Amino acid sequence: EVQLVESGGGLVQPGRSLRLSCTASGFSFGDYVMSWVRQAPGKGLEWVGFIRSKVYGGTAEYAASVKGRFIISRDDPKSIAYLQMNSLKTEDTAVYYCTRAEIAFDYWGQGTLVTVSA
Amino acid sequence: QSVLTQPPSVSAAPGQKVTISCSGSSSNIGNNYVSWYQQLPGTAPKLLIYDDNQRPSEIPDRFSGSKSGASATLGITGLQTGDEADYYCGTWDSSLSALVFGGGTKLTVL
Repeated sequence: EVQLVESGGGLVQPGRSLRLSCTASGFSFGDYVMSWVRQAPGKGLEWVGFIRSKVYGGTAEYAASVKGRFIISRDDPKSIAYLQMNSLKTEDTAVYYCTRAEIAFDYWGQGTLVTVSA
Repeated sequence: QSVLTQPPSVSAAPGQKVTISCSGSSSNIGNNYVSWYQQLPGTAPKLLIYDDNQRPSEIPDRFSGSKSGASATLGITGLQTGDEADYYCGTWDSSLSALVFGGGTKLTVL
């Protein structure tokens, strides 16, 4: 059974950093693109970025709203994807979902809430 | 303002059929595959349709997807109260080099 479990969310002040983790199980993690999608309270879905598998270079792409502040990385032996969030802004407040991005976002984690507030 | 345009809400009676539209442009829907997601209240989104009209094996055939030009449509037949949810379309935008979602449509089963 495919499972994705996010962790690391919480309350953080504007300008500070936070790192989210996504621990995967039930599939060959290293073979898949992994992505992050967020949802601000009461709002719709917003793509944050994705990281390719090592076979395709392991490079990442980002939404314009987070480019230069957020970094996605992966540890294939541990089956973990990370989202390093720097220079956080109040508008980054959202539930952050980890997703497996094969044909589409076919599996999602339960999400972790990040609140950016003074 | 979302790149993809969806109606904010739709409604229909149990047992009836409903369609949800998703309008874009040649840089997104017109030249890339569309997927659809269902988000039940308080839960994570779930993939309903991928590659415009393909269903994951666990999704019932009451759900269907279609595309024409720069617009896509999600169809749901035999509506059930358990279908009440937010529905989102998504695709890659080649001009933005970004994955984009519609603003979401809230389905109410009256």
